[in-house]
Amino acid sequence: EAEVAQSPRYKITEKSQAVAFWCDPISGHATLYWYRQILGQGPELLVQFQDESVVDDSQLPKDRFSAERLKGVDSTLKIQPAELGDSAMYLCASSLGLAEGETQYFGPGTRLLVL
Amino acid sequence: QKEVEQDPGPLSVPEGAIVSLNCTYSNSAFQYFMWYRQYSRKGPELLMYTYSSGNKEDGRFTAQVDKSSKYISLFIRDSQPSDSATYLCAMSLPTGGGNKLTFGTGTQLKVEL
Repeated sequence: EAEVAQSPRYKITEKSQAVAFWCDPISGHATLYWYRQILGQGPELLVQFQDESVVDDSQLPKDRFSAERLKGVDSTLKIQPAELGDSAMYLCASSLGLAEGETQYFGPGTRLLVL
Repeated sequence: QKEVEQDPGPLSVPEGAIVSLNCTYSNSAFQYFMWYRQYSRKGPELLMYTYSSGNKEDGRFTAQVDKSSKYISLFIRDSQPSDSATYLCAMSLPTGGGNKLTFGTGTQLKVEL
């Protein structure tokens, strides 16, 4: 069964350091999403791609976060510099496209701890 | 006020019990309603998907949407210890520019032997 892949699964870093997360969506899925899930809360969308283009990054803290999907396949989310409040689970999801109600499939997530 | 409200629990029930999980929402434009199950330290997994009002059944799971009351429910019959997880409701708008999901906080469920 096809799955969304993410790495690393866990990351511990010190504040002010740079961190990067990688996501490989299900093959053929044009739409890719990055969510942040703080412990005890639901996921919140950070950025959404359609192929290599950004569809929605309104909730992405652009002073420190960046995301790219250069070839429209896999994607990288970067934080520089990391802050204590960035400790969370970072989830990647993908869907076939942008059709209304299109099902999103989630990866296992990267759990980030900033010390 | 959050767009989607969900009781975080925890909810503890004995094996075999019927479980009722609920969410309320404030945005009447939501059209698509989903329930995700999330095991500890894992990503959310889609359980049920409904469009507009009505009921949908899949095995031991029934999803119910009442748009007039802005209220959705997930029922689990004959609950099993393997159902112990966090259940997240999610909803999306019929927008043309994307498919953004708005999640509840999740309800933590524990099914005990």
